[in-house]
Amino acid sequence: GAGVSQTPSNKVTEKGKYVELRCDPISGHTALYWYRQSLGQGPEFLIYFQGTGAADDSGLPNDRFFAVRPEGSVSTLKIQRTERGDSAVYLCASSASTDTQYFGPGTRLTVL
Amino acid sequence: GQQVMQIPQYQHVQEGEDFTTYCNSSTTLSNIQWYKQRPGGHPVFLIQLVKSGEVKKQKRLTFQFGEAKKNSSLHITATQTTDVGTYFCAGHSGGSNYKLTFGKGTLLTVNP
Repeated sequence: GAGVSQTPSNKVTEKGKYVELRCDPISGHTALYWYRQSLGQGPEFLIYFQGTGAADDSGLPNDRFFAVRPEGSVSTLKIQRTERGDSAVYLCASSASTDTQYFGPGTRLTVL
Repeated sequence: GQQVMQIPQYQHVQEGEDFTTYCNSSTTLSNIQWYKQRPGGHPVFLIQLVKSGEVKKQKRLTFQFGEAKKNSSLHITATQTTDVGTYFCAGHSGGSNYKLTFGKGTLLTVNP
């Protein structure tokens, strides 16, 4: 079946702009996660949703980052006033419970 | 917070040679997971180990979980060019059963 999909695959923006990154999880998966991966590093946890609610947003670096999942399926990661240090690959993952996490292809964000 | 360390950072082998990567956590883990990320790709789940001293095999791959549940290893016998990629270990942190803390990974390259 279809895996996790993320759009766009690449996003180039200018410093100070607002961006939205979208994640479509595997159908039926109640758990959804956002990670950020910088070059040469492992994925870094940002936020975890169980259903519609953010069960743990402790990994969000600051209040410029926000994520929603209004209907318990698609999620959007929103970054305000982007900075060059926000450049990274943003990965979304979903799971049926808190078991195996299936990752999407990621969105490569470049802030100029 | 919890730290997960992996060594080596890079490993280059000739096709047919064996390869091992080691993972150490600063805290006791409830379980450990291994992922493979091909160049330009996203992390793909390989396996989860739960029990102290557990050993699991997948064809040429052997995974071990330490007795103290703070370390793990992945051994590949007779590497092939298809084994190229970065291998990450990841553990659940702080009593969480959903937040994965990843190591920095070991990049394996294989010379044909």
